[in-house]
Amino acid sequence: DTGVSQNPRHKITKRGQNVTFRCDPISEHNRLYWYRQTLGQGPEFLTYFQNEAQLEKSRLLSDRFSAERPKGSFSTLEIQRTEQGDSAMYLCASSFPTGGREAFFGQGTRLTVV
Amino acid sequence: TQLLEQSPQFLSIQEGENLTVYCNSSSVFSSLQWYRQEPGEGPVLLVTVVTGGEVKKLKRLTFQFGDARKDSSLHITAAQTGDTGLYLCAGLFNAGTASKLTFGTGTRLQVTL
Repeated sequence: DTGVSQNPRHKITKRGQNVTFRCDPISEHNRLYWYRQTLGQGPEFLTYFQNEAQLEKSRLLSDRFSAERPKGSFSTLEIQRTEQGDSAMYLCASSFPTGGREAFFGQGTRLTVV
Repeated sequence: TQLLEQSPQFLSIQEGENLTVYCNSSSVFSSLQWYRQEPGEGPVLLVTVVTGGEVKKLKRLTFQFGDARKDSSLHITAAQTGDTGLYLCAGLFNAGTASKLTFGTGTRLQVTL
């Protein structure tokens, strides 16, 4: 299967701990997105990359959040000093940068901060 | 900041009924996508519309893009329980390099027997 892959699927962490999530996009796609989704809401944009360049980061994203895509392939999203309000589903998607730019999503990482 | 509004937010219908979900913005989309999401899973792409006035059909689902490319609708004919889920529209507001996919608030559909 060559779809978008996210790991881990679930993460439970104690408040104050750091967590890191990984996303492996579809190999031909050079655009990669991170979104956060809370229960009953639509996905909220966090950041996106074109190849290894981070083109935009949401103003809603605090300095505790950082994302990287060092070689333009997989990406990581790190949350430092987690807070209970960080509990959410973290979604990764990838697309081509041109055309209709259909974005294909992974299954997400469900983070619970206790 | 471009906003997409979806309506209704929640819809509960019986199997066999028809329904329409709307997605609206004050800005022009360069393209718009519809997704369906089940609990605990990522959104799954249903369709992409690009041209104003475009209509696409996917079995019992009909997607329409407004002539001015500011709105879209999803119509489901003879809904089935398997249609239950969160329906999301997502738009690109310009075709330039620095444009991101922005999601609507979602419509939660529940289809019961």
